[in-house]
Amino acid sequence: DQQVKQNSPSLSVQEGRISILNCDYTNSMFDYFLWYKKYPAEGPTFLISISSIKDKNEDGRFTVFLNKSAKHLSLHIVPSQPGDSAVYFCAASWGADGLTFGKGTHLIIQP
Amino acid sequence: SQTIHQWPATLVQPVGSPLSLECTVEGTSNPNLYWYRQAAGRGLQLLFYSVGIGQISSEVPQNLSASRPQDRQFILSSKKLLLSDSGFYLCAWRQAGSNIQYFGAGTRLSVL
Repeated sequence: DQQVKQNSPSLSVQEGRISILNCDYTNSMFDYFLWYKKYPAEGPTFLISISSIKDKNEDGRFTVFLNKSAKHLSLHIVPSQPGDSAVYFCAASWGADGLTFGKGTHLIIQP
Repeated sequence: SQTIHQWPATLVQPVGSPLSLECTVEGTSNPNLYWYRQAAGRGLQLLFYSVGIGQISSEVPQNLSASRPQDRQFILSSKKLLLSDSGFYLCAWRQAGSNIQYFGAGTRLSVL
């Protein structure tokens, strides 16, 4: 039973345009959501997060939106840059337990 | 500042051999510590977590075990590796009161 789902294995976006990565979850107990960026053979790097009491959090070019009623969150990157090419993982947490991750979306920024 | 060290970076082991992966965190005290595994084409799966010395919670029954002999040290072990133990193993930490976990560089384990 996959509690966090990223339904797009890959996404190709032109440099300078907006990248939108989507994530759905099923467990209503999740109260905190995070996005991580990962390069091959490296550990994930924390990017941005959002608490369940908010619906938007912004940090520079990155914005995360949370729709609790739809159990859906999205990560917007604007403008997209070549260095943004990586695998992006959506993760959710509840309490002191570890994070529950989606399978990731491979973002490719085209020049 | 806090740092997390994980080693080795790459490991090739024969089936049936033992395993010991070590993770240490610097610059913080009493962190929560975690072991994850990423199998090929899959997301990260939580294996173990610890909220203190000697306290281990297992998320998935398997051929692996974890120990926390010191506050900032977390060890992943196996007595006899299986082919299915191959994968990318990641250690992570977070400070109590924070929701953000920070990851090490990972260990690529190949069991042949």
